[in-house]
Amino acid sequence: DTEVTQTPKHLVMGMTNKKSLKCEQHMGHRAMYWYKQKAKKPPELMFVYSYEKLSINESVPSRFSPECPNSSLLNLHLHALQPEDSALYLCASSRDRHQPQHFGDGTRLSIL
Amino acid sequence: AQSVTQLDSQVPVFEEAPVELRCNYSSSVSVYLFWYVQYPNQGLQLLLKYLSGSTLVKGINGFEAEFNKSQTSFHLRKPSVHISDTAEYFCAVSTTQGGSEKLVFGKGTKLTVNP
Repeated sequence: DTEVTQTPKHLVMGMTNKKSLKCEQHMGHRAMYWYKQKAKKPPELMFVYSYEKLSINESVPSRFSPECPNSSLLNLHLHALQPEDSALYLCASSRDRHQPQHFGDGTRLSIL
Repeated sequence: AQSVTQLDSQVPVFEEAPVELRCNYSSSVSVYLFWYVQYPNQGLQLLLKYLSGSTLVKGINGFEAEFNKSQTSFHLRKPSVHISDTAEYFCAVSTTQGGSEKLVFGKGTKLTVNP
């Protein structure tokens, strides 16, 4: 059982669509993360939220827009994506500095 | 910037044989190291961590790793593997950027356990 829940598990969208990915954790963790993972590659960090504030943006294109409505929730809003954005999107959370990150099972995104 | 290098992209091994997956990190005053496993169509699961203290770290599923400061290594070992250990394994180091922490991953090692 994963303690970080991501929805939906799969998403197919066209390049003109707007959709959102959702991530939820109820472990009281103070930091939350979005990663993008292409096949046979390690996860690439996209965003870090610390105490609900955006603290790291790894130069991600503006068609990806993160949001942290509260300490348990993390969203990733998607708009006008490109085919190369097709990937597994992983969410993670961690309790404190340099503590292990707990990962969700991801959303597999396909852009038509 | 801190980094990790996983020296083997693929490691094939027979069932019940021992295995070692190699990881080297860039030297730093404080090092926080992790091994994660990823099964197909799943997220990453923490196997073990080194934050401080004993250099021999025991994790889940019978895995262990040894932190070696002089060789800047954190190799993962298991004395006897099972078919179910077939997966992708990532070594990672926690580093600080802009006051926040981020994980830097190695490129991964695909472990294939054959009957």
